[in-house]
Amino acid sequence: EAQVTQNPRYLITVTGKKLTVTCSQNMNHEYMSWYRQDPGLGLRQIYYSMNVEVTDKGDVPEGYKVSRKEKRNFPLILESPSPNQTSLYFCASSPLGGNQPQHFGDGTRLSIL
Amino acid sequence: GDSVTQMEGPVTLSEEAFLTINCTYTATGYPSLFWYVQYPGEGLQLLLKATKADDKGSNKGFEATYRKETTSFHLEKGSVQVSDSAVYFCALSDQGGKLIFGQGTELSVKP
Repeated sequence: EAQVTQNPRYLITVTGKKLTVTCSQNMNHEYMSWYRQDPGLGLRQIYYSMNVEVTDKGDVPEGYKVSRKEKRNFPLILESPSPNQTSLYFCASSPLGGNQPQHFGDGTRLSIL
Repeated sequence: GDSVTQMEGPVTLSEEAFLTINCTYTATGYPSLFWYVQYPGEGLQLLLKATKADDKGSNKGFEATYRKETTSFHLEKGSVQVSDSAVYFCALSDQGGKLIFGQGTELSVKP
């Protein structure tokens, strides 16, 4: 089954404790992206990658890091989480091209205390 | 920069009512347009898309037409069901594949 898998689904942690949210896709897609969803703001892009070892900032990259060492994986790293990063996070993937719909994971709800 | 504006929710309808969710966009170039749906506790799923002016996307009884002259992509359904209750997002995609979302519209359908 074609899917994007995120882990964990839920996480409560404390300020400053490094965490990683994993994302894996099995569709051989070149393009992968991370979004955060906040009430009244829709989804905003954090980082994206157009291929292995190619990553770039989205609209809200501050406080986040990513890596793309393999085509299928695109982890999101919060080196020193803060309460304003409490949010619902989605990973997505697609073939390259602006007319290609993105496939989304089920989301990771992070609470930073 | 590019942007998407959707009508605010929540929208509450009775079963079998007609649905319209308005969406307008601002973009340079020629974006592709999408409607995504998010059911409770789930990720976003593609509902329909249109890639050029006057294209009509349709799926599961939902329709939307890419109107370049009014920069709109309104979502419509003739007869909603309780199972259509969800949050609906309008989005545009630039040539590089970046999605820009509206703020989402929550739809609640009552029996």
